[in-house]
Amino acid sequence: AQSVSQHNHHVILSEAASLELGCNYSYGGTVNLFWYVQYPGQHLQLLLKYFSGDPLVKGIKGFEAEFIKSKFSFNLRKPSVQWSDTAEYFCAVTGRGYNKLIFGAGTRLAVHP
Amino acid sequence: NAGVTQTPKFRILKIGQSMTLQCTQDMNHNYMYWYRQDPGMGLKLIYYSVGAGITDKGEVPNGYNVSRSTTEDFPLRLELAAPSQTSVYFCASSYSGRDNEQFFGPGTRLTVL
Repeated sequence: AQSVSQHNHHVILSEAASLELGCNYSYGGTVNLFWYVQYPGQHLQLLLKYFSGDPLVKGIKGFEAEFIKSKFSFNLRKPSVQWSDTAEYFCAVTGRGYNKLIFGAGTRLAVHP
Repeated sequence: NAGVTQTPKFRILKIGQSMTLQCTQDMNHNYMYWYRQDPGMGLKLIYYSVGAGITDKGEVPNGYNVSRSTTEDFPLRLELAAPSQTSVYFCASSYSGRDNEQFFGPGTRLTVL
């Protein structure tokens, strides 16, 4: 069965610090990969997605993620975080032709001014 | 477009009561989904539908029922509420299951006492 593992459950950073959130998945076939964000009191929104092509994907608000097939990883990065990035971040995967999104447990990010 | 809307936003049930969580989307999406979100657990798929009249179980379907009589609506029914069903419920939709972003509603916070 597919699964998604997010390494950090809670991350605390100061503004301007760099961010990297880990995501590993278990699925041997072709995958689609997503990062969703949930700001406090709001619903999930798509940050970025990878389907094929360039493994370095750029998303909204300065976020990017790199797909490393050999490591089954899709880590999320941002060079300089802001207080407004405080949110919970979810990595998700679906196999090509497989309709269901499998979510990781989420990483709660707190950015202090 | 309103996107995906859910009602109610909050609800408290007593054990054994029943209720229906409503979900409507106005994007003419074929696929619709119900998830539950529990702290530290990410989102778990309850049921999904690939079109009107077609539904299928997800990871955690026990205690729930769904129907899909129209493209727009995908209600989730709890017949005999149990404390284990205390959670936040999200409805989502996508144009198709493959290679497509899911759009989420604002969620329903349900407490069963």
